Amino acid sequence: GQQLNQSPQSMFIQEGEDVSMNCTSSSIFNTWLWYKQDPGEGPVLLIALYKAGELTSNGRLTAQFGITRKDSFLNISASIPSDVGIYFCAGQGPPRGGATNKLIFGTGTLLAVQP
Amino acid sequence: ETGVTQTPRHLVMGMTNKKSLKCEQHLGHNAMYWYKQSAKKPLELMFVYNFKEQTENNSVPSRFSPECPNSSHLFLHLHTLQPEDSALYLCASSQDPARGWQETQYFGPGTRLLVL
Repeated sequence: GQQLNQSPQSMFIQEGEDVSMNCTSSSIFNTWLWYKQDPGEGPVLLIALYKAGELTSNGRLTAQFGITRKDSFLNISASIPSDVGIYFCAGQGPPRGGATNKLIFGTGTLLAVQP
Repeated sequence: ETGVTQTPRHLVMGMTNKKSLKCEQHLGHNAMYWYKQSAKKPLELMFVYNFKEQTENNSVPSRFSPECPNSSHLFLHLHTLQPEDSALYLCASSQDPARGWQETQYFGPGTRLLVL
């Protein structure tokens, strides 16, 4: 089945630093989504990407849909303490037999920001 | 506020108890989902409902029983659970995962379940 590799697993950085994380897939995707999850809460959608090569920003966050359709990147610029949390990528492959493929989630990147 | 609410937020139950989790979405979506999130594991899809019809059961044990009375409400009935079922149970909704639509799912805050 489809697999998503997300890296790094964790990051410990100083406030003000830039952060980069990525996900790669064993097959092509039509959709890439990036979520952030705070402790004890559900994932919150940050950025949605629907087109290969697409580059989308949301404040200090920027995400890209890889041109090969098998990867995606999330960058956070000038990190602040409230960026702490777990960041998940999720992808969806092309429809199969008329049915939409389900979302596949990465294992998450834990981000810790030292003030 | 994501428009998807879940109750209760925390639940402790014994293995012989029967309890239910509730999810409600206020986004006008037609599809709803149950996920299980365990430590150090990717989100595991359990069930999918589209227009109140179950379209996916991801080999979930029968001690988990979903119910979707309408497109806005989703329940997960629990009975005779095991300690390894302890996890965060997340509900999500999306507009319409029919062919040709991009599926963007919005999550609720989850129910933290502990089975003793």
